[in-house]
Amino acid sequence: ETGVTQSPTHLIKTRGQQVTLRCSSQSGHNTVSWYQQALGQGPQFIFQYYREEENGRGNFPPRFSGLQFPNYSSELNVNALELDDSALYLCASSFEDQPQHFGDGTRLSIL
Amino acid sequence: GESVGLHLPTLSVQEGDNSIINCAYSNSASDYFIWYKQESGKGPQFIIDIRSNMDKRQGQRVTVLLNKTVKHLSLQIAATQPGDSAVYFCAENLNSGYSTLTFGKGTMLLVSP
Repeated sequence: ETGVTQSPTHLIKTRGQQVTLRCSSQSGHNTVSWYQQALGQGPQFIFQYYREEENGRGNFPPRFSGLQFPNYSSELNVNALELDDSALYLCASSFEDQPQHFGDGTRLSIL
Repeated sequence: GESVGLHLPTLSVQEGDNSIINCAYSNSASDYFIWYKQESGKGPQFIIDIRSNMDKRQGQRVTVLLNKTVKHLSLQIAATQPGDSAVYFCAENLNSGYSTLTFGKGTMLLVSP
């Protein structure tokens, strides 16, 4: 059974740029959630995708957007990057009411 | 403020001791709780979960206790090993029509040989 995989592992961008992060869900999982984890903090919920539609959203601005594909993989897009967007971005997949399982994240640094 | 918090930011124990990590939550509507372990450079790893209709659940070397009266959650690790050293997060799920997790800040567990 393949777990949640994320790419890239590290990324460096400058303010104002756009970024796309990718996530492959664990086999058999149909729901993907994205979280932002700042240094020394717990993960913060960004949004969730279920059956290719956004199923819920946390307190993040519209420049954070996403997609889910028919194979349940997902992308997180962030436009107009700001310094405060520097963080570890985590993807978690799940099936129905079962626990969410996380990937190892993408470390995004904004210069 | 955050609805999930931890009492102890750092817990230091000796190898072989039992460890207890505590967590307070404030939302009485939360119906599902999960403990995650996060090692440096890794994503959170599922340890154990418990639903609100239970007050205790046991896994391999771990036990989670839920006290809904005082909105308190704890993770007990038996015979703690150096490999247990990590940051531990409790997370709560609100029954809001979709499953999202609210995490606290985490507790660092340091196990000395």
